[in-house]
Order: sequence, then C-alpha cells, then structure tokens
Amino acid sequence: SQELEQSPQSLIVQEGKNLTINCTSSKTLYGLYWYKQKYGEGLIFLMMLQKGGEEKSHEKITAKLDEKKQQSSLHITASQPSHAGIYLCGATPGNDYKLSFGAGTTVTVRA
Amino acid sequence: DAGITQSPRHKVTETGTPVTLRCHQTENHRYMYWYRQDPGHGLRLIHYSYGVKDTDKGEVSDGYSVSRSKTEDFLLTLESATSSQTSVYFCAISESPRQAPPLHFGNGTRLTVT
Repeated sequence: SQELEQSPQSLIVQEGKNLTINCTSSKTLYGLYWYKQKYGEGLIFLMMLQKGGEEKSHEKITAKLDEKKQQSSLHITASQPSHAGIYLCGATPGNDYKLSFGAGTTVTVRA
Repeated sequence: DAGITQSPRHKVTETGTPVTLRCHQTENHRYMYWYRQDPGHGLRLIHYSYGVKDTDKGEVSDGYSVSRSKTEDFLLTLESATSSQTSVYFCAISESPRQAPPLHFGNGTRLTVT
C-alpha cells in the first residue's frame, strides 16, 4: 500500500502568517490530492496534482508536487481563521483503486 | 455537493452487538469506499467496491464486512462490535480516482461502542 507521512502533525500559526505542510510518500505518486476537514464534518477537496513539478493555486493555498513525485507541499499565505482545520494528503496508487491518506495535519490559526 | 447520504449519523451500541452502517449515493458512481478516521491515524481504508457485488479489502478490514447489491448502496457491517471500533466512519464515492476530485465524501457516522 502507499504510505504517506505528513509533517508537522499539528501547528499553530498567528493570523496573517504563512504556513507549510509536507506530505512524503514511500513510493512514486501517480496522483496526489489535498483535502481539508473541519472538525466533525466531511472532507472538502482542495486540489489534485499529477505531474512532476506541477503547482496549483486556489485563493491563498498553493500545492506543489516535486519532480520525483514523492513529495508534495501545501503552502498557505497570510493565514486566516477560515484556514483552520485538518489537512490531509491522499494518493492514487498506480495500478489499483485503494486510495490512501496521510495521518493529517491540524492547523490552528490564532487571532 | 455529491449526493451521498450516510445513516445513521450517530450511533451508540454495546460490545458484541451487530451494527450496520449504510451509504447511499445518487450519483451512479462505480466506486464506493468505507474509511474510518481516528486521531493520529487519519483516514484508513476498510473496504471498497468497484461494482455491484465486487468488493475488496482495505488496510483495516478485520472485524468488518461489506455488501453492495445495488449501485447506489454500500453497507458496512460490524458483526460483533468491539470498543476498538469506536470511530468516525466515512463513506466516499468515485467516478474515477484519476479525476479531480478523486473522492466525494459523506458527512460521516460517529459510532461509539460501549
């Protein structure tokens, strides 16, 4: 199975500051996706990366997939309280449909 | 929002009793998944289905069984619930994991086994 390690496990950031979350795979990533979850709710899709070196942005969130396709980062610029939640990276394995996820990073934004 | 309904939303049951969770979709997607979410473990795949009556195990399938007799319904059964199965259970559906988004999630079922 695809093992995904996320770091850090949790972080606290002052409102207006930037933050970065990393997701590292033990295997080549054929598809890497980021979801966000608010406590007690379902998961909201953020973005999906498939090509080495690919970078996507949505509002103040940018995600990158490195050239070797084994690591992704999620960067939030000028964080706001609405960015608080749990961020999970997930991966599509190459030859089956057992989509797997990292353990998640809990983000707290302090006013 | 994708049409996914999980029922019940909350359930408290006693150790040793059978429990069935239901996932119903109105999207006609081929793939359906059951995950459990626990602190420090993120989402872990229990079972998934790639068609009617076609299912496969995930990484934490022990103690769980599933059935899919219709495209729209995917049932998760705990034959004899244990306290270690206290968790939040999420159903997800997919038309294709290669598309974005790869998975649409339900709102979860919070199960407590006492």
